[in-house]
Amino acid sequence: SQQGEEDPQALSIQEGENATMNCSYKTSINNLQWYRQNSGRGLVHLILIRSNEREKHSGRLRVTLDTSKKSSSLLITASRAADTASYFCATDAGKGYSTLTFGKGTMLLVSP
Amino acid sequence: DAGVIQSPRHEVTEMGQEVTLRCKPISGHNSLFWYRQTMMRGLELLIYFNNNVPIDDSGMPEDRFSAKMPNASFSTLKIQPSEPRDSAVYFCASSLYGDQPQHFGDGTRLSIL
Repeated sequence: SQQGEEDPQALSIQEGENATMNCSYKTSINNLQWYRQNSGRGLVHLILIRSNEREKHSGRLRVTLDTSKKSSSLLITASRAADTASYFCATDAGKGYSTLTFGKGTMLLVSP
Repeated sequence: DAGVIQSPRHEVTEMGQEVTLRCKPISGHNSLFWYRQTMMRGLELLIYFNNNVPIDDSGMPEDRFSAKMPNASFSTLKIQPSEPRDSAVYFCASSLYGDQPQHFGDGTRLSIL
């Protein structure tokens, strides 16, 4: 079963708007990562947040982590058409060695 | 610095044929991962190598799948014999250490007819 589940499955917004995607997971984690995938390409790492962190920023990206609720959110501010992609959260599932389990992703469409 | 390089980018073959996918990780990375992506199942980890040694192969679907990493700069994923349900995009990724961000290749789109 999926460790991480993103919500919503699809999101359509206009350029300049903010986009918020959520991720829920089931087991304790050491870190949570967000990735972006453009059509026909591999995944690209965006940001990593550790279990002892609550919020992290990188440019127009803001990630929050609530370990008590086992959830994370990714906020993209002032979105651009180039942000159109699928976004995935991934958790390490606390296996003792670090493989990642990915959710099924949120497809974001940003219209000009 | 070159990223993860996968070949071929596309492969179309008939069922029953042997398929070999290749991956060159980023130099200096000690962890390598093979994934399979489908619409139905999403992105699934097939196998994880650390320092060229397979650590977790619990995601390998069945004995028809095998993976090797003969040295730090090369890995293969082999399917023999191939079946139509193996059609998917196969990704290779590498990372500096196991829990560091992973760098993905652009994948091999495999179609088994």
